[in-house]
Amino acid sequence: KAGVTQTPRYLIKTRGQQVTLSCSPISGHRSVSWYQQTPGQGLQFLFEYFSETQRNKGNFPGRFSGRQFSNSRSEMNVSTLELGDSALYLCASSLATGELFFGEGSRLTVL
Amino acid sequence: GENVEQHPSTLSVQEGDSAVIKCTYSDSASNYFPWYKQELGKGPQLIIDIRSNVGEKKDQRIAVTLNKTAKHFSLHITETQPEDSAVYFCAAAWGGTSYGKLTFGQGTILTVHP
Repeated sequence: KAGVTQTPRYLIKTRGQQVTLSCSPISGHRSVSWYQQTPGQGLQFLFEYFSETQRNKGNFPGRFSGRQFSNSRSEMNVSTLELGDSALYLCASSLATGELFFGEGSRLTVL
Repeated sequence: GENVEQHPSTLSVQEGDSAVIKCTYSDSASNYFPWYKQELGKGPQLIIDIRSNVGEKKDQRIAVTLNKTAKHFSLHITETQPEDSAVYFCAAAWGGTSYGKLTFGQGTILTVHP
């Protein structure tokens, strides 16, 4: 079956702009989690959604937000981009209490 | 919150040797400990996981051990092959109703020399 699909794969933005990233989970998976990966901070949890409800949230500023749609697809948004937001943003989907399946990520560069 | 420390940060072995990566966690409530392998340009992929009611788990050349008292767990790869070269991450989570919120270690770059 198809894996987790993230779009776009690469994007370049300038400081102050906003960005929206999209994630399509594996069919049948209702849980979607987002992570930020940087060389300095490693893999950090952003938020988790289940059945359109945010179930957990990490320690990120309010500029980072997300949502989940009724078909389990999820989006995350970062407003007022800063240079430090440059990172690989990973989406993972899972069944309720099982293994996380990660996508290949969206690489964001902020200039 | 949970904190996970991972060592070593880099590990270089000869093909056929064993590799061991160790992690410690801080939150005694954590009950789920997965290990992920990340290859260049790809997302992390689960290679093995263990829950707190189990002390050891094996899957072919890979094994994980868990010591709840000491709050540490380890990944053991035997008979390493060049295709094992990648970045390996340990993680911890409190399952509750989901395992979606993982706290990751900083990663270990494993290089297997032919």
